[in-house]
Amino acid sequence: GIQVEQSPPDLILQEGANSTLRCNFSDSVNNLQWFHQNPWGQLINLFYIPSGTKQNGRLSATTVATERYSLLYISSSQTTDSGVYFCAVNGDYGQNFVFGPGTRLSVLP
Amino acid sequence: DTAVSQTPKYLVTQMGNDKSIKCEQNLGHDTMYWYKQDSKKFLKIMFSYNNKELIINETVPNRFSPKSPDKAHLNLHINSLELGDSAVYFCASSLQGGGGNYGYTFGSGTRLTVV
Repeated sequence: GIQVEQSPPDLILQEGANSTLRCNFSDSVNNLQWFHQNPWGQLINLFYIPSGTKQNGRLSATTVATERYSLLYISSSQTTDSGVYFCAVNGDYGQNFVFGPGTRLSVLP
Repeated sequence: DTAVSQTPKYLVTQMGNDKSIKCEQNLGHDTMYWYKQDSKKFLKIMFSYNNKELIINETVPNRFSPKSPDKAHLNLHINSLELGDSAVYFCASSLQGGGGNYGYTFGSGTRLTVV
């Protein structure tokens, strides 16, 4: 089945810093989403982005489907951005929605 | 108006018991799922179900069974609970194949603790 990798596995930032999280996937996809799991365990959908670029406030994401990667940009990070960021993909051939291992982000005050 | 709702939010129970977790979605999606998140935060699919097909991850013990009274509900029944079943269980829904403009929507999770 499709494989999903994320980097870095852990990231510590000072408040106000910018960061880039990466998601690589092994096959073509028809869906890619970025989620934020907050410290209370809720999975919050950030972007539905099988291709192209989207922006929502301080967050933006870009997926280059032909090169099989996606990037999540966080600018001017805040302590509330802490948590685990997951990339998840759904392959072209009806495979199940597969999650990457996540990037654990800690934003320090 | 919660799009995907799960109950209960927390469940503490003894080994050997049988328990159920309920899930409901009001998005008009045709496919629902159960995911398990282990202690290392890894999320893995257990089941996907629409009115045509139940797909079971072969690694899921047969003590776990999904039950769908209608396409807006997918409940998870667990028999003879074991310590290793302790985890967070997430329900999700989508249009089949994860299409549309929003992809998959997840519930807030049920933290199951088996003692």
